[in-house]
Amino acid sequence: ETGVTQTPRHLVMGMTNKKSLKCEQHLGHNAMYWYKQSAKKPLELMFVYNFKEQTENNSVPSRFSPECPNSSHLFLHLHTLQPEDSALYLCASSPQAPGELFFGEGSRLTVL
Amino acid sequence: QKEVEQNSGPLSVPEGAIASLNCTYSDRGSQSFFWYRQYSGKSPELIMFIYSNGDKEDGRFTAQLNKASQYVSLLIRDSQPSDSATYLCAVMGNRDDKIIFGKGTRLHILP
Repeated sequence: ETGVTQTPRHLVMGMTNKKSLKCEQHLGHNAMYWYKQSAKKPLELMFVYNFKEQTENNSVPSRFSPECPNSSHLFLHLHTLQPEDSALYLCASSPQAPGELFFGEGSRLTVL
Repeated sequence: QKEVEQNSGPLSVPEGAIASLNCTYSDRGSQSFFWYRQYSGKSPELIMFIYSNGDKEDGRFTAQLNKASQYVSLLIRDSQPSDSATYLCAVMGNRDDKIIFGKGTRLHILP
């Protein structure tokens, strides 16, 4: 138990669906992140929120839309995804950005 | 383009021996360096961080940093089968919020 909880753990969606990934951290941290992990590629930073403000959007396609209502919660809204978006999506938090990352267990996404 | 390079392995080490994992980075201005362990099907877990040149020891783990050579390593003494995992090197610069990860080195401890 890392103190960072992600739901759902597994998600299968069609290319026309709309779904959301949720992340909640119980560590009192001020920064939250979304990373994408694909086979044989390094972890890719997608978004950074520091004190609820987005400080990084790493050239992510607009079909991925983040939302951070408060320092403890982070969402990733998904719509009209492509099969190549299938990956493990990891949420992380740190006391402040940048900093040591504490990861959730991840959401395994499959796009059909 | 900032890069972090690791040998993907697998690196096979006999149980009880020292495992040596290496990482090089391209951004000379990098300030903070992290090692994460990731078991198959699990998320990365922070095991060591180092900010200053030299060695930092924590139990069986030693992180080594050489900023002049842009090189950071992780030594695991008395390797155990439970150390079998992928080890991710991560580097943080001093100018932005990005932590850049390497692809990871897969370590296999032979019983």
